[in-house]
Amino acid sequence: DAEITQSPRHKITETGRQVTLACHQTWNHNNMFWYRQDLGHGLRLIHYSYGVQDTNKGEVSDGYSVSRSNTEDLPLTLESAASSQTSVYFCASMGAGADGELFFGEGSRLTVL
Amino acid sequence: GIQVEQSPPDLILQEGANSTLRCNFSDSVNNLQWFHQNPWGQLINLFYIPSGTKQNGRLSATTVATERYSLLYISSSQTTDSGVYFCAVEGKTGNQFYFGTGTSLTVIP
Repeated sequence: DAEITQSPRHKITETGRQVTLACHQTWNHNNMFWYRQDLGHGLRLIHYSYGVQDTNKGEVSDGYSVSRSNTEDLPLTLESAASSQTSVYFCASMGAGADGELFFGEGSRLTVL
Repeated sequence: GIQVEQSPPDLILQEGANSTLRCNFSDSVNNLQWFHQNPWGQLINLFYIPSGTKQNGRLSATTVATERYSLLYISSSQTTDSGVYFCAVEGKTGNQFYFGTGTSLTVIP
């Protein structure tokens, strides 16, 4: 069965370190998204991609970057981790077209000390 | 972006009771989905429902796109229904989803 996987599922890091969260999907979806989930804010969009070599900023993109070198993967990088980036991060993918359904990975819990 | 409001924010039910969760959105949408986030944090698709009515077992959903709202009905609730229910809408321009802040449901045995 097609799926979307994230790694690591849990990570603790220190302020200032670079961190990369991996996201891999086997749906062959063009559209991929990164969200963060914090209490009181629901899910907020960080970055998204509509296809290979395409990346776009979401509403909370400061301090984050993504790259899309193939269809399956959209890694999320925190260039210099800050305590405010402690959160649960979800990757999602969706097929192209007006009737696409959004599917989520299991989430990555990041703690920045 | 599109504003998505969900109500009620919190709901406590006795097992076996029925409930209705509401999602209001501020603009026309291409797509609307309901998700259940279980106590382990997994986001599970319940319904893809940009308009009309769908049913899946004890759950059903109705979206009235012209009036910009959707309803999720849970009948004969079970403890496994506990968790947070999110509504997400996709705007007419671009494949971006906007989420509400969710309804936290607790079902008591």
